[in-house]
Amino acid sequence: GAGVSQSPSNKVTEKGKDVELRCDPISGHTALYWYRQSLGQGLEFLIYFQGNSAPDKSGLPSDRFSAERTGGSVSTLTIQRTQQEDSAVYLCASSLAPPTQYFGPGTRLTVL
Amino acid sequence: GQQVMQIPQYQHVQEGEDFTTYCNSSTTLSNIQWYKQRPGGHPVFLIQLVKSGEVKKQKRLTFQFGEAKKNSSLHITATQTTDVGTYFCAGPSGSSNTGKLIFGQGTTLQVKP
Repeated sequence: GAGVSQSPSNKVTEKGKDVELRCDPISGHTALYWYRQSLGQGLEFLIYFQGNSAPDKSGLPSDRFSAERTGGSVSTLTIQRTQQEDSAVYLCASSLAPPTQYFGPGTRLTVL
Repeated sequence: GQQVMQIPQYQHVQEGEDFTTYCNSSTTLSNIQWYKQRPGGHPVFLIQLVKSGEVKKQKRLTFQFGEAKKNSSLHITATQTTDVGTYFCAGPSGSSNTGKLIFGQGTTLQVKP
C-alpha cells in the first residue's frame, strides 16, 4: 500500500469492554511498532515486532495490553477491560530497516 | 533509564521570527532522528543525523548533532504558518540498532501570522 493504515480511526467504548485496534504496515516492511500518545504528550513506546523474532513487549503498561502480528504483516493491538486512562491515540509505525519509521494516522480511543 | 528530553515544551513566535528546539539524551546515541507532527496528524520523518557534529539543512530547517552525540537541535529560520506543529527528536533505545526509538516529549510551535 501507499502507507501505513490503521482502523478504526476512532473508537468509543465503555469502561470494562475489550477493544481491538488494527494496523496494516507498508508492504514489505519487516518492523512494526505500536505507540500511545496521550493528549498533548509525546509518544510512549508499547511494543515492537521485527520479522520472526520474539516481539519486544517492554513498553506494554499492563497485562491488559497485548499485540500480535500475523504472517509478518497485519498487527492487532488488544486492550482488555479498558479503563479511562487508556484513552489516547494509538499510533502504529513500520520500517523496512532501522531506523526511519513511517507512521499511520492513528486510532483515537475514548473510554467512557 | 534512558531518557530523551526536549526544550522548550511550547514556543509561540511571530511569523518571520526564528525558532530553535533542543534535544538532550541521557546516553550517547548512534543516531538521532527528527519528526514533525502537524495538529491532528501523525508524526512524519524529517531527517536522521549520524555523525558527530553533523549539520544538515532542509530549506529553512537546520539540524545539528552534537560533538558528543548526546544532544541535537533543530533551527527554523524565518518561520511560516506552515511550520506549525510539534517537533520530536528520537534516539535508538539502548546500544543495539533494533529500530526501537525513545522519543522526546516534543516542542510545539505556534506561529502568529
